[in-house]
Amino acid sequence: AQSVTQLDSQVPVFEEAPVELRCNYSSSVSVYLFWYVQYPNQGLQLLLKYLSGSTLVKGINGFEAEFNKSQTSFHLRKPSVHISDTAEYFCAVIKNTGNQFYFGTGTSLTVIP
Amino acid sequence: NAGVTQTPKFQVLKTGQSMTLQCAQDMNHNSMYWYRQDPGMGLRLIYYSASEGTTDKGEVPNGYNVSRLNKREFSLRLESAAPSQTSVYFCASSSPYPNYGYTFGSGTRLTVV
Repeated sequence: AQSVTQLDSQVPVFEEAPVELRCNYSSSVSVYLFWYVQYPNQGLQLLLKYLSGSTLVKGINGFEAEFNKSQTSFHLRKPSVHISDTAEYFCAVIKNTGNQFYFGTGTSLTVIP
Repeated sequence: NAGVTQTPKFQVLKTGQSMTLQCAQDMNHNSMYWYRQDPGMGLRLIYYSASEGTTDKGEVPNGYNVSRLNKREFSLRLESAAPSQTSVYFCASSSPYPNYGYTFGSGTRLTVV
């Protein structure tokens, strides 16, 4: 079975500072990895995804994530955050042969002016 | 605009009442899903449908039923609502490899009193 762990439930960071949101997964088979963002009172939007190829993937709004197979991690980073990045961020995985996504419990990013 | 449409956006039910949440997508996706989102628990899968005519239980199916009416529509029914079903419900559809990724509806905020 797959599982996704987001160790940090809340991350406060000052505006223009860098941020890293951590995601680890466990799976006995190869997986694809995703980050989604949820702004207040909205649905989830895809930030970025890793399917194959380069382990460093770039997404929308200046976010990027690096797939590390040996550490089974897919951490999300942004070099300089903005107030508008305040949101809930979810990591998700899917088996490369499956059609069901598994989500982490989410990390609430708060950007402080 | 292409996407996933959920109705209603808000609903208050009394314990024991029934209701159906509607979901429709216009992206010709085969797979559709119903999730509930509760604070600190992330998104938990209730039911999913890998293709028209098939449905499968997810992590928390008790108290719910679903119908995949056709390729576009996937409804979620609460036969006898309970306060524990107070939650935000999201419908999603997914595109197959290599364009994996969920498209989410905007959610239904359900309160059972």
